[in-house]
Amino acid sequence: GESVGLHLPTLSVQEGDNSIINCAYSNSASDYFIWYKQESGKGPQFIIDIRSNMDKRQGQRVTVLLNKTVKHLSLQIAATQPGDSAVYFCAEIGGSYIPTFGRGTSLIVHP
Amino acid sequence: ETGVTQSPTHLIKTRGQQVTLRCSSQSGHNTVSWYQQALGQGPQFIFQYYREEENGRGNFPPRFSGLQFPNYSSELNVNALELDDSALYLCASRHRTTPYGYTFGSGTRLTVV
Repeated sequence: GESVGLHLPTLSVQEGDNSIINCAYSNSASDYFIWYKQESGKGPQFIIDIRSNMDKRQGQRVTVLLNKTVKHLSLQIAATQPGDSAVYFCAEIGGSYIPTFGRGTSLIVHP
Repeated sequence: ETGVTQSPTHLIKTRGQQVTLRCSSQSGHNTVSWYQQALGQGPQFIFQYYREEENGRGNFPPRFSGLQFPNYSSELNVNALELDDSALYLCASRHRTTPYGYTFGSGTRLTVV
């Protein structure tokens, strides 16, 4: 299942599917981006980051894509598992080194 | 366990009261930021401290204030509490050598009644 962005804050997928979570950022001067995962009752947890001079970065089961032309960021999760259920935030960082968060997308993984 | 500890985990206060929230960071984390996260929203930046001085502030009124101590602990103080101050308050810290490597605590859930 693919999110259509922040207009759809909840994404429901079946276990084993690939998930795509989208994010539109606001500041074209931001030079660093981070995806965070927040589980219920916990603070945001770092997943993956990407610098503005890159357009793709891969981690374990996760890939982040950056399109600076349209100020768009996406997080792809391969073979989604029930443990991936959480709220996912993108954050942009500029010269102040202070993360600015988007609203977030709730990912629900059905067994 | 992230290495950033916040206390208390939950708190209920009455409108008009004052509250102090605490955060204990890892050794060497000389930059600490505080965020407010309302239900269903992303964290909103309140302010940041570096070497015990405030060096960045978001769109929050002066009744939100803070302190940072040499032992890498910090406080968020909120005076004259309002109902809209009900939220999860998050502390995030980073080491001086990792400008993007923030570690978040689990937060304090504040309810103002």
